[in-house]
Amino acid sequence: AQSVSQHNHHVILSEAASLELGCNYSYGGTVNLFWYVQYPGQHLQLLLKYFSGDPLVKGIKGFEAEFIKSKFSFNLRKPSVQWSDTAEYFCAPRDDKIIFGKGTRLHILP
Amino acid sequence: DAGVTQSPTHLIKTRGQQVTLRCSPKSGHDTVSWYQQALGQGPQFIFQYYEEEERQRGNFPDRFSGHQFPNYSSELNVNALLLGDSALYLCASSSPMIIETQYFGPGTRLLVL
Repeated sequence: AQSVSQHNHHVILSEAASLELGCNYSYGGTVNLFWYVQYPGQHLQLLLKYFSGDPLVKGIKGFEAEFIKSKFSFNLRKPSVQWSDTAEYFCAPRDDKIIFGKGTRLHILP
Repeated sequence: DAGVTQSPTHLIKTRGQQVTLRCSPKSGHDTVSWYQQALGQGPQFIFQYYEEEERQRGNFPDRFSGHQFPNYSSELNVNALLLGDSALYLCASSSPMIIETQYFGPGTRLLVL
């Protein structure tokens, strides 16, 4: 069965720290990969996406993610986080249907 | 340009009742998807509507049904409500040109007592 796993449920970092949020999926074949973010009090919004081509994709606000096909992973990274990055982050692979992970709550200490 | 709008914002029902939730897609979008997000979980795909027909469906019982109107707005209906149906219901729309990118609404929070 299709599934997605986000490794961390809660992450607390200080400003300027580096961030990596893990995401693994169980799909085979062609997969589209998404990271969504939900800032406090706001709607879910797309952070970045991978369809094909360069496995390193860049999104909004300095985020990037790397698709590693052999590891079925699509980890989200940011070199230096800001307090405004406090949010919940969802990994969402799509085969014929999109499936969201359980989310990672990121809290950045000022 | 209005984004995706949903109504109502909050709703309280009792077990066994029926509920209808509404969604208006972003301007220019013709595809609407519905998701259920239980507390502490990610959104779960319920179904997707395109050209007034259900195009895809997730693992939800037939108690969950929907409709899409000619103006692309959509309704989600849930019959015979259960306590476990309490959740945030999200609507997302996408355009015919960039169908993989979905724009989400604020959701309707349903509480079943």
